[in-house]
Amino acid sequence: AQKITQTQPGMFVQEKEAVTLDCTYDTSDQSYGLFWYKQPSSGEMIFLIYQGSYDEQNATEGRYSLNFQKARKSANLVISASQLGDSAMYFCAMREPISSGSARQLTFGSGTQLTVLP
Amino acid sequence: GAGVSQSPSNKVTEKGKDVELRCDPISGHTALYWYRQRLGQGLEFLIYFQGNSAPDKSGLPSDRFSAERTGESVSTLTIQRTQQEDSAVYLCASSLAWRERLRQYFGPGTRLTVL
Repeated sequence: AQKITQTQPGMFVQEKEAVTLDCTYDTSDQSYGLFWYKQPSSGEMIFLIYQGSYDEQNATEGRYSLNFQKARKSANLVISASQLGDSAMYFCAMREPISSGSARQLTFGSGTQLTVLP
Repeated sequence: GAGVSQSPSNKVTEKGKDVELRCDPISGHTALYWYRQRLGQGLEFLIYFQGNSAPDKSGLPSDRFSAERTGESVSTLTIQRTQQEDSAVYLCASSLAWRERLRQYFGPGTRLTVL
């Protein structure tokens, strides 16, 4: 079974600084996908970034980048130039590969609550 | 375009009552998922629909939970004889197909409170 671990229940960062949110995963599969979602207090799940296990380069989407270290099974999210609006819960998730015959649902970590300080 | 919608946004019910939650996926999305999110926790998978295939119910926590979907349209999640531990936000998501990169688009959720 797959498992996602987010060891930081809460993080603080000063506005305009960069912050790294940790995510490690456990899987025996060679093919998988990793996602980061943002959940503000409104409750909606907002997709941020995706990394495929066979992607040669780390994913980037605007101020978000994913520090993917396959050998260490880590997929940390880096947010550059933090903004007050970045304050939210952040979830790392993994999608099971099609070979598993599963529903390909997402397996989520427990999340990290990020607070950006003015 | 319209995103995933869910209704009601909030539901308060008494222990033992049945509740029905509704999800309208993005038009054309063949895959539909239900998740449960307890307070302060991550999302737990409940059930998955893909087109006209038999649903994957492996995440349903008990036989009090059931869900239906007609074709590639609306889905309803039913919880019978609700218990206080059923209190959570129930999130629905849809996606185009089985392709690896395609992300799931989430609805705003239904917050269920069982008194």
